[in-house]
Amino acid sequence: EAGVVQSPRYKIIEKKQPVAFWCNPISGHNTLYWYRQNLGQGPELLIRYENEEAVDDSQLPKDRFSAERLKGVDSTLKIQPAELGDSAVYLCASSSTGDGTDTQYFGPGTRLTVL
Amino acid sequence: DAKTTQPPSMDCAEGRAANLPCNHSTISGNEYVYWYRQIHSQGPQYIIHGLKNNETNEMASLIITEDRKSSTLILPHATLRDTAVYYCISISGGYNKLIFGAGTRLAVHP
Repeated sequence: EAGVVQSPRYKIIEKKQPVAFWCNPISGHNTLYWYRQNLGQGPELLIRYENEEAVDDSQLPKDRFSAERLKGVDSTLKIQPAELGDSAVYLCASSSTGDGTDTQYFGPGTRLTVL
Repeated sequence: DAKTTQPPSMDCAEGRAANLPCNHSTISGNEYVYWYRQIHSQGPQYIIHGLKNNETNEMASLIITEDRKSSTLILPHATLRDTAVYYCISISGGYNKLIFGAGTRLAVHP
């Protein structure tokens, strides 16, 4: 069974440029999460989707970050414009249900460097 | 969700058991204990979880104290590939936001 797929794995951009990350969750998983991991820290949740609906986006900086999951399968996270402080690893995870006891499986992440 | 406390780092000799402790003294009755690990440059990997009873799978064993205020993750025969940051997380049913702390950096040496 294929795991969570993310692309690209690495991205280097200059500040003020836009950037987008793509995630394809494990087949059949209805819940999708985006996390951000700063260097030396644990991941922090940005947004959670139940199918197409964003049910928790309280930690998403909405002035420059946006996300979508139009068909309830794959998802895109966008930053526009990027700032130096956005340099981090962006992780996508999925689980089969939204229940808190349901295991989340993570992708390999996209490492973003903003110059 | 209860806050967890872990030692920042541990060492283990290859082939020996690695015992990683976690304190979660404020855990409530419906909160599970989850363990993930993160090998350098990879996403977090699920290891095991439990509520009250001890659990074992092909990767590890989880020992939860009777009062549920602490737990220990046991890697029975550590290998060099087990070198990683290990995260202990408590999470309640119905609330699925994993809150990662700093974790324990486990170094397995020959």
